This record gives sequence, C-alpha cells and structure tokens, in this order.
Amino acid sequence: GAVVSQHPSWVICKSGTSVKIECRSLDFQATTMFWYRQFPKQSLMLMATSNEGSKATYEQGVEKDKFLINHASLTLSTLTVTSAHPEDSSFYICSVGSYNEQFFGPGTRLTVL
Amino acid sequence: GENVEQHPSTLSVQEGDSAVIKCTYSDSASNYFPWYKQELGKRPQLIIDIRSNVGEKKDQRIAVTLNKTAKHFSLHITETQPEDSAVYFCAASTPGNQFYFGTGTSLTVIP
Repeated sequence: GAVVSQHPSWVICKSGTSVKIECRSLDFQATTMFWYRQFPKQSLMLMATSNEGSKATYEQGVEKDKFLINHASLTLSTLTVTSAHPEDSSFYICSVGSYNEQFFGPGTRLTVL
Repeated sequence: GENVEQHPSTLSVQEGDSAVIKCTYSDSASNYFPWYKQELGKRPQLIIDIRSNVGEKKDQRIAVTLNKTAKHFSLHITETQPEDSAVYFCAASTPGNQFYFGTGTSLTVIP
C-alpha cells in the first residue's frame, strides 16, 4: 500500500495563530487526498477532499476559510488551520486513496492554548 | 453525505468469547466497507474489508458480513484475546473514495 507521512506529528500553538500541517504520499502519486479530524474518544470525521491542482471539496459544516487546503503536487497536500482556537485542538489525519482502500498518515496532534 | 451508525459504543467480553459489532449505512451507492482498529494516538489500521459484491469474508478469527438490501454490515471476532482490546471503527466508502466512519466501539477483552 501507499506510504503516507505527516508533519509535524505534534504541534502546540497560541490561540489566534495559524498552523500548517503537511501530508505527503511517499510512494504513490495521489490526485486526491483526504483530511480527517478526530476529537478525543470520538470517530474520524471527514473534513475535506483535497484535489491536486484544483479547489478542495469540503464536507458540510466545515469552514473552508478556516481550514485552508492546498494540493499543489501529486505528493503533497497541506492543511492550514487559520486563527486557531482551543476548540480546534484535535488529531488531524490525512489519507491517500487507491481503489477504495485508504492509507492513513500517522496523524498530527494539534493543541491550541 | 453518507451516514454510518455503529453499535455498541462499548463492549466487554471474556477472553475466548466472540464479539460482534454492527454498522448501518444510508447511501446505497457506497461500495466498500472496511473495518479499522485504532489504538490511542495512532492511525487506524485496516483489519478486514468487504466490497459490495460480496456477502461475507473471513480472515482467521475475524469475519465481516454485508447485507446490501438492509444496508448493514457486521464485524465478528471469535476466540477473543486481550490484545484484541482497542477501538474499532467501521466505514463506508462512496464511489468517490470518501470514507465515512462509524462512531466507534471500544472493545475490552477481559482475561
């Protein structure tokens, strides 16, 4: 399967700052990547579908101006949490899809103070 | 989008007993149904999956059944072991590859 990495693995930031999370597909050219958010003891919630070279598709209820997604190449998608607040603290996971199967990154834990 | 429900939210079984987790989905176009095991702070790990053209699949102690008409699928773990303790998620995938996860089941296997 595809190998997916994320950076950073853990980030702590002050309220009001922006944080960028990178998702890299190391051995697979991904025209599509997916971003999920997982709060403690809850399920993974699909936030958006990242499309290489075009705008991301956001799920209902997810603010696109708050969570900026850029998919500039076939191996890199970035998620920027703008003006982060404590309620944005969560585990963010990206994935790469290949014929239905999903290969998940290791996740990024964001803590907003 | 797709709506996936999962039951129970917590499940405790004695070692050696069987565990069953059930999920329902709403979108009849969903065609792929994976099950994941997730340990705290780690990425989900695929344990078994089933596609919409198959009714049942088994891999050693783990089996999954799918009823397309009723839009539900189940995970069966037999001869449970303490290392099976984890949170399990079902998911339904649409043709566009978007995955929608169930709410999770915290399984505890009591030695």
